[in-house]
Amino acid sequence: DAGVIQSPRHEVTEMGQEVTLRCKPISGHDYLFWYRQTMMRGLELLIYFNNNVPIDDSGMPEDRFSAKMPNASFSTLKIQPSEPRDSAVYFCASSLARVVTITDTQYFGPGTRLTVL
Amino acid sequence: DQQVKQNSPSLSVQEGRISILNCDYTNSMFDYFLWYKKYPAEGPTFLISISSIKDKNEDGRFTVFLNKSAKHLSLHIVPSQPGDSAVYFCAASAANAGNMLTFGGGTRLMVKP
Repeated sequence: DAGVIQSPRHEVTEMGQEVTLRCKPISGHDYLFWYRQTMMRGLELLIYFNNNVPIDDSGMPEDRFSAKMPNASFSTLKIQPSEPRDSAVYFCASSLARVVTITDTQYFGPGTRLTVL
Repeated sequence: DQQVKQNSPSLSVQEGRISILNCDYTNSMFDYFLWYKKYPAEGPTFLISISSIKDKNEDGRFTVFLNKSAKHLSLHIVPSQPGDSAVYFCAASAANAGNMLTFGGGTRLMVKP
């Protein structure tokens, strides 16, 4: 398997523009997670899905952020409108179980580095 | 308020010596702890974990120690190798919180040849 795939790897946009980040989880994984990494806050969980259904979005910072999972092999994280403080690395991860256990773990994609000017 | 803290943003160690990365947590409900390793331009990868019923877990050169009374865990790498240079994230989960992972801010380890 190719692992978790994210696109684009880098995104530079101007404030006010819409940004869409994409993720393809590992085939067969039931859980998908979106994280954001910043220098100030480290790795934060934004939202996670189980079987394409959003379960917990309490980490989504504002209404400007939205995430969808239309099918088991694709998810998007959208920011509209984007602001400079949204600049960060956004990671997608998938797993068979909701959390790392002795027998399973979360597998991360390479991330999308977002810069909002 | 951060529930998982890694107070050292960076650590430099000579090749062959021991690397000790520390992590503190505040939530007493955390019952599973993990370390992830992250190279530049890559996502974090799982390294080693420990359950709260144990105080030590070893995997090759990597050992994680858990001190529940102090709410502290540490990752020991012996001997350190240049290829170990990366950012290390500590993470914790609590069964009563849906088992979500809470990550620390990370520690950048540099192993010098």
